[in-house]
Amino acid sequence: GAGVSQSPRYKVAKRGQDVALRCDPISGHVSLFWYQQALGQGPEFLTYFQNEAQLDKSGLPSDRFFAERPEGSVSTLKIQRTQQEDSAVYLCASRGRTSGTNEQFFGPGTRLTVL
Amino acid sequence: SQQGEEDPQALSIQEGENATMNCSYKTSINNLQWYRQNSGRGLVHLILIRSNEREKHSGRLRVTLDTSKKSSSLLITASRAADTASYFCATAVEYGNKLVFGAGTILRVKS
Repeated sequence: GAGVSQSPRYKVAKRGQDVALRCDPISGHVSLFWYQQALGQGPEFLTYFQNEAQLDKSGLPSDRFFAERPEGSVSTLKIQRTQQEDSAVYLCASRGRTSGTNEQFFGPGTRLTVL
Repeated sequence: SQQGEEDPQALSIQEGENATMNCSYKTSINNLQWYRQNSGRGLVHLILIRSNEREKHSGRLRVTLDTSKKSSSLLITASRAADTASYFCATAVEYGNKLVFGAGTILRVKS
């Protein structure tokens, strides 16, 4: 089946604008993760959903970052009043209930550039 | 903050040679995973090793884990130009929860 998809793939925002990044996980996957990857660095955890419940949001860097998954499928990461330091690739990953390997399947990411 | 460090930061080898990358981490873990990332793309899972395992093989990949030293290594044998990518180790403190990634090793395989 289809993998994890993310949209848009690229987003340019002026400082102070709000942005919304979308993630479509693999159908039926229970767990959904958001990561932020700065240039030249490894991904850093932002938040985690199990179905529609946000179980861990400890990685969200500020209250300008908000994520939701209202129906337990598609998720949206919203960043309000974007700042230049928000420029990064935002990766979404999903994991199935029966995945015995804890393997996460990643989408291609959304590259956000804040001018 | 990231879990640990990987070395080398960058590695350039000839096609056919073996490539070894190392990863260190800081806390106790449930498992350690290696991922590959091609330029501009998402991460692809390569292999997982559990905390009670010491070595695991998958095709041309060999992973070792030393929990006493909190370190792991990834060996890619008989490298190919298509192996050119960034390689990240990631640790899972608890099963099913978030992954904590290292900074990655950039591997370039010259043909």
